[in-house]
Amino acid sequence: EADIYQTPRYLVIGTGKKITLECSQTMGHDKMYWYQQDPGMELHLIHYSYGVNSTEKGDLSSESTVSRIRTEHFPLTLESARPSHTSQYLCASSVGWYTEAFFGQGTRLTVV
Amino acid sequence: DAKTTQPPSMDCAEGRAANLPCNHSTISGNEYVYWYRQIHSQGPQYIIHGLKNNETNEMASLIITEDRKSSTLILPHATLRDTAVYYCIVLNTGTASKLTFGTGTRLQVTL
Repeated sequence: EADIYQTPRYLVIGTGKKITLECSQTMGHDKMYWYQQDPGMELHLIHYSYGVNSTEKGDLSSESTVSRIRTEHFPLTLESARPSHTSQYLCASSVGWYTEAFFGQGTRLTVV
Repeated sequence: DAKTTQPPSMDCAEGRAANLPCNHSTISGNEYVYWYRQIHSQGPQYIIHGLKNNETNEMASLIITEDRKSSTLILPHATLRDTAVYYCIVLNTGTASKLTFGTGTRLQVTL
């Protein structure tokens, strides 16, 4: 079993609220990723990290921000949630860029 | 990273082998072929990867053509629990390759 955890699993929040989605892994992986996926649609890479203090934007533009202060922790923040942010957010980690990636269970976000 | 092409959907009878093709005609010498699957809306699950030799593990077999321009993922005895979207991905080992997913093949295993 992969040791990567996302909280919360489900979140319903009002427009304009600030939210942080948590992602933690205990495998010591340097590489971490955030993906966004709408129901039945493609997975889109929105952020990734090489390691501590390194973050990059992915292929899909996102209003969210990320930080990587500790190896094991890669939180995603939305400063002001909007209904267009309603989606599933998946976090993943890997040892290297071309090694097996492990995914969390995802956070299903609904902004009302 | 090389682009991949997969059929959008396939059906397979339970107990039969499921053969999922992937075309990656622009693959370069230092690029690996990876397969992941996503069951319903769970996080994707790694299946197998290879460079040029055929590979087998407890989940599947990966057959890569000699010219490496295409590959086939084989699930030898498909079950209903293998119903999922299967993604073929090519990753470059020489640079900071990003793990990005295309549209994949939606495999439906039926009774």
